[in-house]
Amino acid sequence: AQSVTQLGSHVSVSEGALVLLRCNYSSSVPPYLFWYVQYPNQGLQLLLKYTSAATLVKGINGFEAEFKKSETSFHLTKPSAHMSDAAEYFCAVKSGGYQKVTFGTGTKLQVIP
Amino acid sequence: GAGVSQTPSNKVTEKGKYVELRCDPISGHTALYWYRQSLGQGPEFLIYFQGTGAADDSGLPNDRFFAVRPEGSVSTLKIQRTERGDSAVYLCASSSNRADTQYFGPGTRLTVL
Repeated sequence: AQSVTQLGSHVSVSEGALVLLRCNYSSSVPPYLFWYVQYPNQGLQLLLKYTSAATLVKGINGFEAEFKKSETSFHLTKPSAHMSDAAEYFCAVKSGGYQKVTFGTGTKLQVIP
Repeated sequence: GAGVSQTPSNKVTEKGKYVELRCDPISGHTALYWYRQSLGQGPEFLIYFQGTGAADDSGLPNDRFFAVRPEGSVSTLKIQRTERGDSAVYLCASSSNRADTQYFGPGTRLTVL
């Protein structure tokens, strides 16, 4: 079985401040982990993915995430928030032979000018 | 290149009616997935096709839901006797193989009155 927990359904940061979106996963086998971003009325866009190579993964738009097996976490960070980062972010897990991706409930990021 | 496309973008129907939602995957992608995203939730897996066959349909909520992919490319999700609870955004994704990233379409917003 696989699952994802995103802590905080809404996060607000000031423009230029650090962005930290939390994700914890559960998987019985080594997982693939993903972060997707969804802008209003648009589909999901892949930000980055972890596939058992480097534990620190860099993605698009300055985002990165670190896989920590001991903490079963895959938190998303960005050093300096931009207004255009306001969107909903989904963490997701895919385990071993399972093809279905299990998504978290999402975190809406608000960037305050 | 062209991404995943879905038609229609919006569908409004009455309770009890039949609807079909179409997905055109990225050319050459053999794997195709359907997800359902209810308001305020992350996408939930419905069904996965590898080629023409449904490899995993464990997410279909009941027998009113059915999906086909007769030629291994375009897929149609069919919902019979629609209910108000079926209202959601239906997302389609495709990937080039079992292990690859899933790329999502913009979704079809289904509203059942």
